[in-house]
Amino acid sequence: DQQVKQNSPSLSVQEGRISILNCDYTNSMFDYFLWYKKYPAEGPTFLISISSIKDKNEDGRFTVFLNKSAKHLSLHIVPSQPGDSAVYFCAASVVGDNDMRFGAGTRLTVKP
Amino acid sequence: NAGVMQNPRHLVRRRGQEARLRCSPMKGHSHVYWYRQLPEEGLKFMVYLQKENIIDESGMPKERFSAEFPKEGPSILRIQQVVRGDSAAYFCASSPRTGGNEKLFFGSGTQLSVL
Repeated sequence: DQQVKQNSPSLSVQEGRISILNCDYTNSMFDYFLWYKKYPAEGPTFLISISSIKDKNEDGRFTVFLNKSAKHLSLHIVPSQPGDSAVYFCAASVVGDNDMRFGAGTRLTVKP
Repeated sequence: NAGVMQNPRHLVRRRGQEARLRCSPMKGHSHVYWYRQLPEEGLKFMVYLQKENIIDESGMPKERFSAEFPKEGPSILRIQQVVRGDSAAYFCASSPRTGGNEKLFFGSGTQLSVL
């Protein structure tokens, strides 16, 4: 039961260009969405989040867009840097619930 | 302020043995979550605990798996009679409270390998 899907297992981008990571979800009850970043041999670390009452949240080089009607969110990184190379997980939850659902992750490689 | 601490980092077990994975949450956090990541898959929720209470174990396999978070000491994820399919990375996360909109702080994980 994959309620959160990241259909691109990998993405390669040139340094300085924009990285766009996509995420789709099926459960219309989700009302809070997060992106986590994971380096090898480390646990995921929180990157940015968005509530369902918003359609955009920006934090420095990172912007998350939410399209509720399409049940789609995306993470934009601009400009991309080699240090951004990592696996990015999309996550979704229902406020008041205990289970945060994660996608399978997208491995981003930023080439110098 | 130490983050979420998990040990061991790597655990190797033979089929039929027991595996014990430990997690100490961040200071001040009373909510612990366990997730499992199988190869090429995302993080799968297993169990959510508060001190001395299992709040939600809907993601735990019905047999061989158990978890606890005692009043004193770390949270323990216990897998009895391990099988090869249990080989995965097990991540613990903590938060100061629950509510569905609380970001989780993850440990570095325990990589379990079953021979």
